[in-house]
Amino acid sequence: QSALTQPASVSGSPGQSITISCTGTSSDVGRYNLVSWYQQHPGKAPKLMIYEVSKRPSGVSNRFSGSKSGNTASLTVSGLQTADEADYYCSSYTSSSTWVFGGGTKLTVL
Amino acid sequence: EVQLVESGGGLVQPGGSLRLSCSASGFIFSNYAMNWVRQAPGKGLEYVSTIGTYGSPTYYADSLKGRFSISRDNSKNTLYLQMSSLRPEDTALYYCVQGGGSYGLFWGQGTLVTVSS
Repeated sequence: QSALTQPASVSGSPGQSITISCTGTSSDVGRYNLVSWYQQHPGKAPKLMIYEVSKRPSGVSNRFSGSKSGNTASLTVSGLQTADEADYYCSSYTSSSTWVFGGGTKLTVL
Repeated sequence: EVQLVESGGGLVQPGGSLRLSCSASGFIFSNYAMNWVRQAPGKGLEYVSTIGTYGSPTYYADSLKGRFSISRDNSKNTLYLQMSSLRPEDTALYYCVQGGGSYGLFWGQGTLVTVSS
């Protein structure tokens, strides 16, 4: 199972919006509406931000939103804040009943 | 409050074995599938394995099949990962993750496994 493809880095200024893409295949992202996104600050465990493409767990800001088109999912962060600076990983359920992660994207808030 | 506490990590020589444990509390352990995810130093997340609520089914990353074995003891609220024939590339922080299906809602803080001579 090959890793999902994410840009290595994205950046934005406070208050702006950014979008992180996550490209998979017809065996994972394209096949199921089961894409999730995780935020990871240095030295911390990952935190679930989005599940099932666009759902937010309780307590996650509505500045975070998810979508999907074909084999590509996206995470949008609006109204960027310095606290959003972190690594972001996408993940998808696969046809093998396993998970596959993206390589991660470093978000820098300038 | 959900708590997942991993243990059992450490330094092991190539070819050696290690068993990781994850002690769970704050939820009905037997109601949830559980997972292991690892992260090599400075690298991204990598899926390792999933186990169903009563010990089956089990799933593994293709690259790990035959060397790693996941199990659980619902009477002890504990998840395990038995690792054998360890290689330097298995060096990573191993996370215990609650969640069936497609995502992990709760993550432990991880236990570090270092494979080196």
